[in-house]
Amino acid sequence: TQLLEQSPQFLSIQEGENLTVYCNSSSVFSSLQWYRQEPGEGPVLLVTVVTGGEVKKLKRLTFQFGDARKDSSLHITAAQPGDTGLYLCAGEPYDYKLSFGAGTTVTVRA
Amino acid sequence: GAVVSQHPSRVICKSGTSVKIECRSLDFQATTMFWYRQFPKQSLMLMATSNEGSKATYEQGVEKDKFLINHASLTLSTLTVTSAHPEDSSFYICSAHFGGEAFFGQGTRLTVV
Repeated sequence: TQLLEQSPQFLSIQEGENLTVYCNSSSVFSSLQWYRQEPGEGPVLLVTVVTGGEVKKLKRLTFQFGDARKDSSLHITAAQPGDTGLYLCAGEPYDYKLSFGAGTTVTVRA
Repeated sequence: GAVVSQHPSRVICKSGTSVKIECRSLDFQATTMFWYRQFPKQSLMLMATSNEGSKATYEQGVEKDKFLINHASLTLSTLTVTSAHPEDSSFYICSAHFGGEAFFGQGTRLTVV
């Protein structure tokens, strides 16, 4: 059983459309992180959300942390082919070990 | 941000041989590093936690005699896949934490033929 449930697993959309990825847990996290990974490379940190209810924006990406700090979402507005990649949410429930969601493979078609 | 460098990025080896993968923290010291394995289009699976100066701790189901970890200095951890078999072919990634954030190496694509 994964600590972080991420959905959907796959997402294929047309350029210019919007998309949302969800990350849910029954556990409380002090923070959650979102990463993007391109094929053949390591994950790169996009954002860390810390405060319940927090909203962070990174250009066309909007990240939300749930009030209870158990869930988070990533919303991409007007997606571009460059947004294609594997998106991972992660949290540290204990021992400084990151626990990852299953990942969402996003494909943006030109 | 902090930099974690992993080497090699790709390696092909024959079945039965051993392969060593290096993970270095370039501009900070890391008493702890983490080794992950990743299958295509799947998430990262933590294999083990590498501890400088002491034994690594392995996650359940990971064979410690198969995946040898050595964390000999504050900037270097190595993962050796011993007696590699085709089923060991995978993408291996290391990470280290700095300033409360995790930084990842570029990954190593291991192919065992």
